[in-house]
Amino acid sequence: AQTVTQSQPEMSVQEAETVTLSCTYDTSESDYYLFWYKQPPSRQMILVIRQEAYKQQNATENRFSVNFQKAAKSFSLKISDSQLGDAAMYFCAYRSPGAGNMLTFGGGTRLMVKP
Amino acid sequence: GAGVSQTPSNKVTEKGKYVELRCDPISGHTALYWYRQSLGQGPEFLIYFQGTGAADDSGLPNDRFFAVRPEGSVSTLKIQRTERGDSAVYLCASSPGGATEAFFGQGTRLTVV
Repeated sequence: AQTVTQSQPEMSVQEAETVTLSCTYDTSESDYYLFWYKQPPSRQMILVIRQEAYKQQNATENRFSVNFQKAAKSFSLKISDSQLGDAAMYFCAYRSPGAGNMLTFGGGTRLMVKP
Repeated sequence: GAGVSQTPSNKVTEKGKYVELRCDPISGHTALYWYRQSLGQGPEFLIYFQGTGAADDSGLPNDRFFAVRPEGSVSTLKIQRTERGDSAVYLCASSPGGATEAFFGQGTRLTVV
């Protein structure tokens, strides 16, 4: 079974600065998908960014980018030019191919943004 | 609808009671998922529907939990003889099927007192 670990329960960043959230995972599969989701107080999980394991190039979405290290089974999220609206819980998630969209989530990191 | 809708938003029930949680997926989405998120934790998979049938129910914790999707659209998660440990946010997600993005609802916060 796959496991996802987020070792940082809380992180804090100054507005306009850059912050990196860590995620490691354990799997014996060679092909899979990785995701970062944002969960604001509204509770709705919002997809931030996704990465296919077969792609060597790191995914980027505007101010969000990932550092995907397949051999190390590491998938960190970098948020540049942090904004107050970025404050939320962030979850790293793993999905096996052919498993529909069943996701295995990490325990989450609470990101606080200081004005 | 425009997004995944879950009702009620909050539910308080007494220990031992029966509850039903409803999920209205995005129109046309064939796949539907239920997750449970306990306080301070990440969501945990419960059950996955493809159309009307449960393709994978390996996440249901015990036989008090049951889910249906009789017409391949709306789904109901049913919990019998609720326990205080069932208190959590229950999240529903839907997707068009295949390896595509899943869209989440805002969840139902269940509190068992």
